[in-house]
Amino acid sequence: GQNIDQPTEMTATEGAIVQINCTYQTSGFNGLFWYQQHAGEAPTFLSYNVLDGLEEKGRFSSFLSRSKGYSYLLLKELQMKDSASYLCAVNDYKLSFGAGTTVTVRA
Amino acid sequence: EAQVTQNPRYLITVTGKKLTVTCSQNMNHEYMSWYRQDPGLGLRQIYYSMNVEVTDKGDVPEGYKVSRKEKRNFPLILESPSPNQTSLYFCASTPTLLGGNEQFFGPGTRLTVL
Repeated sequence: GQNIDQPTEMTATEGAIVQINCTYQTSGFNGLFWYQQHAGEAPTFLSYNVLDGLEEKGRFSSFLSRSKGYSYLLLKELQMKDSASYLCAVNDYKLSFGAGTTVTVRA
Repeated sequence: EAQVTQNPRYLITVTGKKLTVTCSQNMNHEYMSWYRQDPGLGLRQIYYSMNVEVTDKGDVPEGYKVSRKEKRNFPLILESPSPNQTSLYFCASTPTLLGGNEQFFGPGTRLTVL
């Protein structure tokens, strides 16, 4: 089965940086996704990692270490609109999601 | 506009009354899936379909049925709903699960079973 862990909640100040960690134990691995979900809305795609290393996309970056079963999502220059849940999902030839990390950005 | 649509968006029903939640996508995607989302549990996959007439159980299939008679539609059927199926349901589609293809989610269906 799948075991995907991420912190439940994080709080940060506008303009700051926040790092959301995700650890996983899966029987197979075909990539890791990060999704953003605002309250009451559908998840939307943020990033995808399949090889070790850092993928940067504007203010958001995602890192993967396959040997450690570890990923993080880095949100820079936080804005109020970044207040949302962030979902880590592992593709083990079916997609399994972590419970999500709720990030609250304070002024 | 490329999208996944679900209907109804909100539904309140009673125990045992059969219901169907429809899902349709206009992107010619082969892979479709249904998830339920509950507080503290995240998104859990109910059923998925890799192509027409090919469906398989996800992590929480009990109490649900699906069908995939055409590529664009993937309805979720609750034959005899129970209160523990009260949840937020999402349909999603993607070209395939291979590579970095993102899943496109529908807007969600909030179901309450009394």
